[in-house]
Amino acid sequence: GENVEQHPSTLSVQEGDSAVIKCTYSDSASNYFPWYKQELGKRPQLIIDIRSNVGEKKDQRIAVTLNKTAKHFSLHITETQPEDSAVYFCAAGYTGGFKTIFGAGTRLFVKA
Amino acid sequence: DAGVIQSPRHEVTEMGQEVTLRCKPISGHNSLFWYRQTMMRGLELLIYFNNNVPIDDSGMPEDRFSAKMPNASFSTLKIQPSEPRDSAVYFCATSWGGGQETQYFGPGTRLLVL
Repeated sequence: GENVEQHPSTLSVQEGDSAVIKCTYSDSASNYFPWYKQELGKRPQLIIDIRSNVGEKKDQRIAVTLNKTAKHFSLHITETQPEDSAVYFCAAGYTGGFKTIFGAGTRLFVKA
Repeated sequence: DAGVIQSPRHEVTEMGQEVTLRCKPISGHNSLFWYRQTMMRGLELLIYFNNNVPIDDSGMPEDRFSAKMPNASFSTLKIQPSEPRDSAVYFCATSWGGGQETQYFGPGTRLLVL
């Protein structure tokens, strides 16, 4: 069935370093890949998304890359700051489908 | 827009009691999702609706859980009878369209069953 795997489950980096979170998906029909950030005690919120017609998208310190052949997509955060500490979820969905499949989440710690 | 509205924000109840969680979607959104989040199991999709119709309830853990969406502006998730292992944060999320659109999450209901 549909599945999204996310790695690592926990990631600790020093402030200013880069962080990379990777996901793989199983459904080849997937064409929409959002990333959500959930701060402690808060709701998940979209931070960036990418559709299958592009290979990369960037928004300030955040970028997402997509490899459709390998069914991989990744989140890159550069110049990390303590406020980037949160749980990050990747997800995959497709046009005509009703739901988005979420990964298990990555807990990112940015040490000051 | 007020965003997705959930009530109550916190609920403490005793085992065996009925619990009803409520969700008001963003106006115009036609897909609604109920999630449960715990430390052990992460974010679980319980059920989702499209145009008020339940599409997939395979994530509902037991018959004690039920959900309804009587109209485009309102949905409920009911647990009867509640058990301590139901303690979790329950999120409602809505979107315009389905799997290819952003989901907007409500603030969640933090449920504690004693």
